[in-house]
Amino acid sequence: DAGITQSPRHKVTETGTPVTLRCHQTENHRYMYWYRQDPGHGLRLIHYSYGVKDTDKGEVSDGYSVSRSKTEDFLLTLESATSSQTSVYFCAISESLTSLNEKLFFGSGTQLSVL
Amino acid sequence: AQKITQTQPGMFVQEKEAVTLDCTYDTSDQSYGLFWYKQPSSGEMIFLIYQGSYDEQNATEGRYSLNFQKARKSANLVISASQLGDSAMYFCAMREGLDGGFKTIFGAGTRLFVKA
Repeated sequence: DAGITQSPRHKVTETGTPVTLRCHQTENHRYMYWYRQDPGHGLRLIHYSYGVKDTDKGEVSDGYSVSRSKTEDFLLTLESATSSQTSVYFCAISESLTSLNEKLFFGSGTQLSVL
Repeated sequence: AQKITQTQPGMFVQEKEAVTLDCTYDTSDQSYGLFWYKQPSSGEMIFLIYQGSYDEQNATEGRYSLNFQKARKSANLVISASQLGDSAMYFCAMREGLDGGFKTIFGAGTRLFVKA
């Protein structure tokens, strides 16, 4: 199994509070991704990173920011959480970006509830 | 517009029978990859099978096969001899080439229930 750890696994927070989710990998993969999973939408890409301090937006990036100061860590921050950000958040990693057959390895997910 | 469409929100299959999960996709890229992932009730995402847009033969991995019909832009997953442990959510995904920024996008998923 790929060494990907997400923390926390579960979090309940209040609207308007900042929240940071952490993804830590031990695979030394260059590429890291944050997805959110919602019923009826599957997984949607929030942000991704192609190296230390190199990040880019995905399809649902509004309200989220990311940072990557080390190869192994990718942080997702909700600056001011809203109820629409209640979701399951998955971190994923890949070794390559431009190989079409590059499968993603996923963490176990973080269940976030914003009340 | 949806790039990956999975029209079956839920499917039932009898144990030991085969089942087909539908997936259609939309892309103008000539180079792309198609994937299926499984998500059991425990929540983890598990890679099942891959098909490249230039692959002429359908991909197979054990009891999983991918029925790739390029002209129809479909990439259906076939599970043969279903087992109770196959009960899970299944996601079809596509990784586009340069035009798509090499990002992986997912369909909404199909929940499969295997009956004993």
